[in-house]
Amino acid sequence: DVKVTQSSRYLVKRTGEKVFLECVQDMDHENMFWYRQDPGLGLRLIYFSYDVKMKEKGDIPEGYSVSREKKERFSLILESASTNQTSMYLCASRSSRVFNEKLFFGSGTQLSVL
Amino acid sequence: DQQVKQNSPSLSVQEGRISILNCDYTNSMFDYFLWYKKYPAEGPTFLISISSIKDKNEDGRFTVFLNKSAKHLSLHIVPSQPGDSAVYFCAARNNAGNMLTFGGGTRLMVKP
Repeated sequence: DVKVTQSSRYLVKRTGEKVFLECVQDMDHENMFWYRQDPGLGLRLIYFSYDVKMKEKGDIPEGYSVSREKKERFSLILESASTNQTSMYLCASRSSRVFNEKLFFGSGTQLSVL
Repeated sequence: DQQVKQNSPSLSVQEGRISILNCDYTNSMFDYFLWYKKYPAEGPTFLISISSIKDKNEDGRFTVFLNKSAKHLSLHIVPSQPGDSAVYFCAARNNAGNMLTFGGGTRLMVKP
């Protein structure tokens, strides 16, 4: 089974702190994604990466950056956390070698910024 | 503006009856549609998909219907079971790229 692991289930941070969310997948997937889930807004794409050291902005990249130094790991960085970044963050991965391949998600990190 | 909309935030159904979850989209470039199910404290998991060249896809108790002219798809669950209680997300892929656009989700509650 594909496993996408997010390092923390819950995080509580203070406004202005630098926050790192880590995601690791074990299926050699080329594509990795960071989404945030907010009630009524569904899943919104923050950043994605087609492959190592590649990154592309999604729909809501403001206030975030990412790092993909190794194929299996995709990190989301909040340079200076703000209260409006309180949300559920979901990492996902996908193979680019399979047509119409579905996304595999991690369990999510619930981030609270106080 | 949301390109994929799920207008019902919640739906309550009796066990054994049919659950119908609806999804509307505005972008005519969408060519592939998926449904994901999400339990609390877990990530979404893939449920069923449909290509724009089809109007129906069935997998066990789950059937997805696509009406391209109306830009509407629906997920039917028959018969509904209490274990189906979850949030369901509709997603659509743009044929010009490879990204998915998700709807806001519908929380389904199946009562025993």
